[in-house]
Amino acid sequence: QKEVEQNSGPLSVPEGAIASLNCTYSDRGSQSFFWYRQYSGKSPELIMFIYSNGDKEDGRFTAQLNKASQYVSLLIRDSQPSDSATYLCAVRRYSSASKIIFGSGTRLSIRP
Amino acid sequence: GAVVSQHPSRVICKSGTSVKIECRSLDFQATTMFWYRQFPKQSLMLMATSNEGSKATYEQGVEKDKFLINHASLTLSTLTVTSAHPEDSSFYICSARDRLAGPIGEQYFGPGTRLTVT
Repeated sequence: QKEVEQNSGPLSVPEGAIASLNCTYSDRGSQSFFWYRQYSGKSPELIMFIYSNGDKEDGRFTAQLNKASQYVSLLIRDSQPSDSATYLCAVRRYSSASKIIFGSGTRLSIRP
Repeated sequence: GAVVSQHPSRVICKSGTSVKIECRSLDFQATTMFWYRQFPKQSLMLMATSNEGSKATYEQGVEKDKFLINHASLTLSTLTVTSAHPEDSSFYICSARDRLAGPIGEQYFGPGTRLTVT
């Protein structure tokens, strides 16, 4: 079982709709959770992080965390073509001296 | 915001030669830097964690004698790929964690270095 699992996609969403990206993790000791966006040929850029159960909103993005279900998600409202990218879910465990473990990413495509 | 630079952005080298990649935190001090490798259409794989002034910690399966990491200062870490082979061709990305960040502190990524070994 992979430590961080994501559906590879591609996930195709019409422009203006809500894109929902999901991630599960295996280590219950995980404490911090991150969503990164990566455009083709570029390095990842941080979109959001979350560490408490519930929702965290930042502009068009909402991160949701459910530690009991070991599940974290990212919602993108009013999807734009520029949101087309690969989204990486990442998890940090305190016991690993701040090492972040990445999922394989979900490719999101926003169709005009 | 926190900026991490990498140099070079692209490098082509011949098989058997060595290549050095630099990673710098420009506006913050990084006690910890991370080196990742990413093959096409795959996720980031952590190669090693380097702490300023101490030896790097390598992930399982990563040859420490082939991938030499030096973190000599709070703003600079280097990765040297020794005796490079075509299978080492990849996208190498460094990441730095702000010294002042708490345990939740995020990592800032450099722009990456595309290495091609011919």
